[in-house]
Amino acid sequence: EDQVTQSPEALRLQEGESSSLNCSYTVSGLRGLFWYRQDPGKGPEFLFTLYSAGEEKEKERLKATLTKKESFLHITAPKPEDSATYLCAVQDPGTYKYIFGTGTRLKVLA
Amino acid sequence: DGGITQSPKYLFRKEGQNVTLSCEQNLNHDAMYWYRQDPGQGLRLIYYSQIVNDFQKGDIAEGYSVSREKKESFPLTVTSAQKNPTAFYLCASSISKTNEQFFGPGTRLTVL
Repeated sequence: EDQVTQSPEALRLQEGESSSLNCSYTVSGLRGLFWYRQDPGKGPEFLFTLYSAGEEKEKERLKATLTKKESFLHITAPKPEDSATYLCAVQDPGTYKYIFGTGTRLKVLA
Repeated sequence: DGGITQSPKYLFRKEGQNVTLSCEQNLNHDAMYWYRQDPGQGLRLIYYSQIVNDFQKGDIAEGYSVSREKKESFPLTVTSAQKNPTAFYLCASSISKTNEQFFGPGTRLTVL
């Protein structure tokens, strides 16, 4: 069965303290791995799509990387406005359905 | 501005009532999706549609119904058969079934 596991569940960082969020997945034949940011009470905001191992994408203080079994979202010198829940999803190659992890709740303290 | 709109933002329902949640997109996307989000759980797929006049059940379709009569619209009806409907409902769309999804702002449904 396809699964997506995110860790840690919650993370507290001081402003400027870099860290990484993990998304591990089990799916045969990855079609795409997607990262989203979700603020409380709002819909997820699309961040990145990764398709193949070794691929990297960056946006401001965020950098997403992909291996054959997991993806990392690296946050460099975070600011309080980066506080949110970060969601990871993969697409099932047979049904095209998206499978979401439960997310990592990030809190950046000033 | 292109985007996905959901209405209402908040919805209160009495037990035994059916309610319909609206989802509209002006992105010219072919595929549309409905998810349910509960605290501590990942997004769970209710229904999805890859083309007009066609839709498929997701993982938790029982107690829900949808229609896709227009490309822009994918309304979700929460019926009285849904035993625990209180949740945050999210609509999404994508250019095609293989592309990233974009989400609406969500509707929070509360059963009184």
